[in-house]
Amino acid sequence: GAVVSQHPSRVICKSGTSVKIECRSLDFQATTMFWYRQFPKQSLMLMATSNEGSKATYEQGVEKDKFLINHASLTLSTLTVTSAHPEDSSFYICSARPPGLDSPLHFGNGTRLTVT
Amino acid sequence: TQLLEQSPQFLSIQEGENLTVYCNSSSVFSSLQWYRQEPGEGPVLLVTVVTGGEVKKLKRLTFQFGDARKDSSLHITAAQPGDTGLYLCAGEGNSGYALNFGKGTSLLVTP
Repeated sequence: GAVVSQHPSRVICKSGTSVKIECRSLDFQATTMFWYRQFPKQSLMLMATSNEGSKATYEQGVEKDKFLINHASLTLSTLTVTSAHPEDSSFYICSARPPGLDSPLHFGNGTRLTVT
Repeated sequence: TQLLEQSPQFLSIQEGENLTVYCNSSSVFSSLQWYRQEPGEGPVLLVTVVTGGEVKKLKRLTFQFGDARKDSSLHITAAQPGDTGLYLCAGEGNSGYALNFGKGTSLLVTP
């Protein structure tokens, strides 16, 4: 079945540094990938839609200059948290939908970011 | 944004009990998905319901889609400790096939 891989699974960084998270579709091509954020005991909130070959679309309230998204190829999207602060600590999850009508959304295993 | 309301938010029951989780919206969805998420992992798709009034069964889990396609329910029969997790309903939003999620129901099944 379709697999979405995320890396790293955990990262700890110091305040002010930047962190890059990778999301790969392993056995299908994805022109669109989605980035979600999940705070403890809360649901998934859509941050942005990553589009291969064009700019990402950000949800209201998500700073595009802080959360840089690059959809470099049909199988790779990256999310870079720039100048991270402790309030950016969260669980970041990417997802992608294989081609085909009504194909379901598949999720990566998430990246736990802790900013100290 | 099409909002999905889930209830209850938390549920703690003993092994063998039955339970129902509800997902409601004022909007009509072409489909609704139910996911289960364990701590530190991404959500895993359980089922997709598409047709109004549809009922799908997955072992001890029964999923129903409302006739008007605005609500859905998940019923678990004879819950097991392995059913513990966060159950999320989701429907397609406005952002090009991304999903909007309900707030989730955190289920704890104790032996």
